[in-house]
Amino acid sequence: DGGITQSPKYLFRKEGQNVTLSCEQNLNHDAMYWYRQDPGQGLRLIYYSQIVNDFQKGDIAEGYSVSREKKESFPLTVTSAQKNPTAFYLCASSNFYNEQFFGPGTRLTVL
Amino acid sequence: ELKVEQNPLFLSMQEGKNYTIYCNYSTTSDRLYWYRQDPGKSLESLFVLLSNGAVKQEGRLMASLDTKARLSTLHITAAVHDLSATYFCAVDISQAGTALIFGKGTTLSVSS
Repeated sequence: DGGITQSPKYLFRKEGQNVTLSCEQNLNHDAMYWYRQDPGQGLRLIYYSQIVNDFQKGDIAEGYSVSREKKESFPLTVTSAQKNPTAFYLCASSNFYNEQFFGPGTRLTVL
Repeated sequence: ELKVEQNPLFLSMQEGKNYTIYCNYSTTSDRLYWYRQDPGKSLESLFVLLSNGAVKQEGRLMASLDTKARLSTLHITAAVHDLSATYFCAVDISQAGTALIFGKGTTLSVSS
């Protein structure tokens, strides 16, 4: 089955620690995205990538970093510079019509 | 500043009733998307509207797009409990077809 997978489902971060969220897709989509969702809020764009080895900052990129070494993979690192990282993180990829398909999400909590 | 505004943000309905959710946006766009999110879950694509006058229907939900008015509607017919969820509209503002701008979502609760 084609789809997007994210891991882990739950992640706990200690102060000063960097953590990496995984996102993999087998839909053969060129474009991939990372969003952050806070309780009761809509989605805010962190980073997006339209092609391998290229990515762009979204509205809230500070404290986050990404890489796009393979078409299928778009990992997100939450660095210690992100002071309030507790949120639900959603990865997506898009088709020709820019319809975005979302992974199941990673819930990150700061201890 | 681009704005995508949904209203209402919260909607409590009785089963069997009809209602409409509105999505207004502040810039030119010919593409609009509707998503559904169940509590604690990810987003599921419902409708893709790609031109002025587009209308899509699936079961008890019907979505339409008026690009001149910069307005999309999601109409619910004869609501049932299974429709309880949060519904998001999202607008594609880039000519290159990149990032979407999401509304804050409308949380729908259907009760008997």
